[in-house]
Amino acid sequence: DAGVIQSPRHEVTEMGQEVTLRCKPISGHDYLFWYRQTMMRGLELLIYFNNNVPIDDSGMPEDRFSAKMPNASFSTLKIQPSEPRDSAVYFCASSPTSGGVSYNEQFFGPGTRLTVL
Amino acid sequence: DAKTTQPPSMDCAEGRAANLPCNHSTISGNEYVYWYRQIHSQGPQYIIHGLKNNETNEMASLIITEDRKSSTLILPHATLRDTAVYYCIVRVLTGGFKTIFGAGTRLFVKA
Repeated sequence: DAGVIQSPRHEVTEMGQEVTLRCKPISGHDYLFWYRQTMMRGLELLIYFNNNVPIDDSGMPEDRFSAKMPNASFSTLKIQPSEPRDSAVYFCASSPTSGGVSYNEQFFGPGTRLTVL
Repeated sequence: DAKTTQPPSMDCAEGRAANLPCNHSTISGNEYVYWYRQIHSQGPQYIIHGLKNNETNEMASLIITEDRKSSTLILPHATLRDTAVYYCIVRVLTGGFKTIFGAGTRLFVKA
C-alpha cells in the first residue's frame, strides 16, 4: 500500500495567491483528516470527513480556508488568499472503519510544507 | 485544550527501556488512551491504544493504572530511531474524531 499521498511536498507562494493542497487517502479508508502544524500552535485538526462528507470543520481558522472531498480517493485544502501566517506543515490523514467501528488509527501522509512570503 | 499532561522531554540510553508517562486525570469512562509519535519532519505515526487493560503490540506496551488517571508507554529496547515526539491522547472510540494533540514528550535516545 502506498500510504497517504500528499502533493505538493513543498509549496512557496506569495501573499495573496491561491494555494491548493491535495491528498489521496489510503484505499478503503472512509475517514479523512486535515491537520496544520506550527511551532507555536503544535498539531491542530482543521477538518475531517466521513464518507466524503465534512463532519466537523470547527478547526478551520477562517473563511479563507476551504476543504472538499469530491470522491473517496481525493481531497483538497484550499487557501484563498494566502497570508504569511498560513505558513505551516499541512498533514492529511485517513482512518478505516472495521465492522462499523473506527479505532482512530490515523495514518498520516508526509505533509506539505507551505511557505507564504 | 489537550486533556493530557506529559513531561516536555526525556532521555533514554540505547537498548534500555523507555518509559513515557502521561497524566489524564479527567478521563471519562468511555475515553480511550492513544499514543502517537512523530519523527522529525514526518507525519505522526500511530503506536497503540487501550481502554483499561494493558496492551502490547510489536512496537510498544501500554500500561494503564487501575483508576485510569495515568498511563505509561513502554518501548522495551529503545533504538536511536525511536528519537521522536510522543503524543498521549484521550478520546472516545466512536462518535467523533476531535483528536487534540498536546505538546507531547520529546524523547532523545542516546548511544
